[in-house]
Amino acid sequence: DAGVTQSPTHLIKTRGQHVTLRCSPISGHKSVSWYQQVLGQGPQFIFQYYEKEERGRGNFPDRFSARQFPNYSSELNVNALLLGDSALYLCASSLEGSYQPQHFGDGTRLSIL
Amino acid sequence: RKEVEQDPGPFNVPEGATVAFNCTYSNSASQSFFWYRQDCRKEPKLLMSVYSSGNEDGRFTAQLNRASQYISLLIRDSKLSDSATYLCVETGFQKLVFGTGTRLLVSP
Repeated sequence: DAGVTQSPTHLIKTRGQHVTLRCSPISGHKSVSWYQQVLGQGPQFIFQYYEKEERGRGNFPDRFSARQFPNYSSELNVNALLLGDSALYLCASSLEGSYQPQHFGDGTRLSIL
Repeated sequence: RKEVEQDPGPFNVPEGATVAFNCTYSNSASQSFFWYRQDCRKEPKLLMSVYSSGNEDGRFTAQLNRASQYISLLIRDSKLSDSATYLCVETGFQKLVFGTGTRLLVSP
């Protein structure tokens, strides 16, 4: 079975632009979470979605938004990109999301110039 | 205070050595804990769950001490392929909370 898949793998944007990152969870998993990982740090929680509803939001500005589709895939949108948004964006899926281990995709490496 | 704290290392050990990592957490209500392994520029991969009764998987042993709020990971007979960053994770209702990771370097 396919694991969590993310696209694109790499992306280069300039300040002020917006970006959409995509994620498909493991088949049968209904929860998708998004994390941001900057160099030298552990992943930081951005959002969790379950059954198309937002279940949790981390300490990120409103420029970050996400949604989950009926097939449980998800998009992360970031507007008005800043240099500090350069990071590895990780998507993770789990069966339900509460107190469960999550399985990560390869991530999207976003570079802001 | 950070929710999950780890010594960033690096821990430099020779092949065959035994190495242990500790991690402390601040939320006494945390329900579940995990160790993830992350190779350079790759995604985190689940290594093992952590239980109060201890959890052993081959050369790896994880332990949870709720009274002192720390988690440990013991690696026996280290292999070159064990070189990676080990992330301590607590899970709440909605999210995983990661430590910064402990880097392990195993040398020949």
